[in-house]
Amino acid sequence: GAVVSQHPSWVICKSGTSVKIECRSLDFQATTMFWYRQFPKQSLMLMATSNEGSKATYEQGVEKDKFLINHASLTLSTLTVTSAHPEDSSFYICSARKTGVGGEAFFGQGTRLTVV
Amino acid sequence: QQQVKQSPQSLIVQKGGISIINCAYENTAFDYFPWYQQFPGKGPALLIAIRPDVSEKKEGRFTISFNKSAKQFSLHIMDSQPGDSATYFCAASMDSGGSNYKLTFGKGTLLTVNP
Repeated sequence: GAVVSQHPSWVICKSGTSVKIECRSLDFQATTMFWYRQFPKQSLMLMATSNEGSKATYEQGVEKDKFLINHASLTLSTLTVTSAHPEDSSFYICSARKTGVGGEAFFGQGTRLTVV
Repeated sequence: QQQVKQSPQSLIVQKGGISIINCAYENTAFDYFPWYQQFPGKGPALLIAIRPDVSEKKEGRFTISFNKSAKQFSLHIMDSQPGDSATYFCAASMDSGGSNYKLTFGKGTLLTVNP
């Protein structure tokens, strides 16, 4: 099956710094990728939809200036958490979905972000 | 407003038993219903999915039952194994009509299969 690679798997950063997370679709072109945040024992919360070559669409309540998304190519989307604070500590997961009705969604392995 | 309601929140089953997880949706425009399995510290992985034009789909030990009129779908895991212990999420999306294929997830079910 198709693979979505997310990097890094975990990162620890100091409060106030920025962290970039990469999401790559390895064997299919993904015009649309999704970024999720997941708190312990909770469901996936969609943060934004990343569209290749255009601005991301953010869900209500998600600060677009804090969570910068870039989708510069059909295989790469990045999420940058700017000026990170401890409350940004979470598990971030990206997803790429094959287009077409019923297209399968593939998820990255997730990134555990800890802000100290 | 939660568009996909999942139950139970947690489930304990003995090895060899049947695990049943249920989901109900509100939006009749949903036309794709996948189930995902997630292990701790990992991203979700697709188990099985169904479209509303069929009432049941089986893949190995996993079966989706779909009731369009009741707006419900369920996952059955036959002969449950300790290795099936994970969190399961149902989801739904509107793929037709030019949507962006965004998935709406249920809150998840933590399944524990005892040996």
